Amino acid sequence: NAGVTQTPKFQVLKTGQSMTLQCAQDMNHEYMSWYRQDPGMGLRLIHYSVGAGITDQGEVPNGYNVSRSTTEDFPLRLLSAAPSQTSVYFCASSYPGAYATEAFFGQGTRLTVV
Amino acid sequence: EDKVVQSPLSLVVHEGDTVTLNCSYEVTNFRSLLWYKQEKKAPTFLFMLTSSGIEKKSGRLSSILDKKELFSILNITATQTGDSAVYLCAVGPTSYGKLTFGQGTILTVHP
Repeated sequence: NAGVTQTPKFQVLKTGQSMTLQCAQDMNHEYMSWYRQDPGMGLRLIHYSVGAGITDQGEVPNGYNVSRSTTEDFPLRLLSAAPSQTSVYFCASSYPGAYATEAFFGQGTRLTVV
Repeated sequence: EDKVVQSPLSLVVHEGDTVTLNCSYEVTNFRSLLWYKQEKKAPTFLFMLTSSGIEKKSGRLSSILDKKELFSILNITATQTGDSAVYLCAVGPTSYGKLTFGQGTILTVHP
């Protein structure tokens, strides 16, 4: 089982460049989300989606765009990279439930903006 | 604003010790609290707690939730070097895949 797959695993960008972090899941989960992890700050929610065509902002959405054209894919776009976006990015998926359900995480993308 | 606070932020113990990790929260529309273990890469799921006073156990790990006092603890008995990791607490106010995480507790277990 592939689960949640993120690409690339590592990326170095120059300030002002744009790029897309890819995320795909094969578990037919309706919910997908993007988090960033910085030292001492746990994981913070960037954007999330409750289904194809539906996205919403999380805690730290500025500088990022998302779209959800299919159930499987949820790419994260950095429009104009800034050093403050240096972080480890995790994509997660989960299924609907009466309670918050277990989120399955990808292996992460370590992004450095210079 | 939803808030999850973990303590201690770091902990160093020796193999065989018992540790208790703490997680307190302030969130609207609380539904469940989740514990994750993170070793170099992706967080891996440990427990989900939805009701007060019910202990979840898996081997040497156990966790309990107090919804009245708004906290949870994660206990690890007879620690091993393989328990060294960051332990993350997360709270889900809704079922929309939105989790609010604490800062994490870095546990280091020495031989």
